[in-house]
Amino acid sequence: EIVLTQSPGTLSLSPGERATLSCRASQSVGSTSLAWYQHKPGQAPRLLIYGASSRATGIPDRFSGSGSGTDFTLTISRLEPEDFAVYYCQQHYNSPLTFGGGTNVEIK
Amino acid sequence: QLQLQESGPGLVKPSETLSLTCTVSSGSISSNSYHWGWIRQPPGKGLDWIGSIYYSGRTYFNPSLRSRVTMSVDTSTNQFSLKLSSVTAADTAVYYCARLWLGGSYPDYFDSWGQGTLVTVSS
Repeated sequence: EIVLTQSPGTLSLSPGERATLSCRASQSVGSTSLAWYQHKPGQAPRLLIYGASSRATGIPDRFSGSGSGTDFTLTISRLEPEDFAVYYCQQHYNSPLTFGGGTNVEIK
Repeated sequence: QLQLQESGPGLVKPSETLSLTCTVSSGSISSNSYHWGWIRQPPGKGLDWIGSIYYSGRTYFNPSLRSRVTMSVDTSTNQFSLKLSSVTAADTAVYYCARLWLGGSYPDYFDSWGQGTLVTVSS
């Protein structure tokens, strides 16, 4: 099973600041087998990025994904108030599908 | 816009079987581009993939739960279902149903999710 480790666990930032979230895999997941999700309490998780760097439908361009192999990054260029949430990465390179433990982006 | 809605008992007794159904609306469960899956999130923890099913009935399961999981699909009602047997308190979680993009022959990422339903295992 591929283990995904997300860091930091919590990111305290102010609106307008840049957020950089990391996802590290225990083994290579290639260059396109990684997705990112946003999850707010009581809501359905939302797909942000698939294929490591492609934005899902309707996702603002302040969200961007990069990386390959074992190291991936989700960047939010300028945090909006609605962006404060928990973010998860997920790999589909190998079975079983696995998620990272999440990064909580909170208001500073 | 595709919608998924989980339904089922919110309370299940230990050793019994948890049963949930996901109703898909504004989209066909018979699409050959997607799998349909279940994910759970125990309180205070992260997301765990349980398994997924194609409209033909082909399934993929997380090995950690394979021995206790059954999934089925009903194309006539646009629903798919999860059964988890011999539950314990460790199975208490919010259960989500979701649609998975089928990039090749294996399900990839989850592009649409239900709101989730809390299932508590307790006597």
